[in-house]
Amino acid sequence: DGGITQSPKYLFRKEGQNVTLSCEQNLNHDAMYWYRQDPGQGLRLIYYSQIVNDFQKGDIAEGYSVSREKKESFPLTVTSAQKNPTAFYLCASTPNSGNTIYFGEGSWLTVV
Amino acid sequence: GQSLEQPSEVTAVEGAIVQINCTYQTSGFYGLSWYQQHDGGAPTFLSYNALDGLEETGRFSSFLSRSDSYGYLLLQELQMKDSASYFCAVKSGGSYIPTFGRGTSLIVHP
Repeated sequence: DGGITQSPKYLFRKEGQNVTLSCEQNLNHDAMYWYRQDPGQGLRLIYYSQIVNDFQKGDIAEGYSVSREKKESFPLTVTSAQKNPTAFYLCASTPNSGNTIYFGEGSWLTVV
Repeated sequence: GQSLEQPSEVTAVEGAIVQINCTYQTSGFYGLSWYQQHDGGAPTFLSYNALDGLEETGRFSSFLSRSDSYGYLLLQELQMKDSASYFCAVKSGGSYIPTFGRGTSLIVHP
């Protein structure tokens, strides 16, 4: 079945460590996104990519990094520079001409 | 910049009708979408309006007024399983990047 796979579902990180969240899609979508969601809050855009080997900062990119080496993959690294990384992270994708955003099941990151 | 406003919480009883409003400010507006998210889950697409008027999909309907920069989601015959957060989102500008509102928590009581 086509969809977006995020891993891991739950991740615990010690302060000062970098961690990478995986996002893979087999929908053949051009655009991919990373959103952060805090409890009771909306979705805030971290990074997005509309084509392979190109990506742009969203509203809250500081402390995060991404890569887009393949159309199917858009991993997010949460670096030690991110001061408050505990949150729910959602990866999403859209076809460039489409109106529906498809989301992965999300990854819960907790800093301990 | 872009901004969307929606109520933080709405409560209703089973079987009732509820309307969740969304007002937006943006440039180069393309369309307004609605998403449902249950606790701990991923948002799922409900509807999309690019033109003025009402779109109906089963118990859910969505309305858009481009001149008023306003839309709403209408949920009929409410069920307990409709308890969730509902987000409006706009596509605008040349980049087609979707921007989300802060979400409305719908609580359905028996």
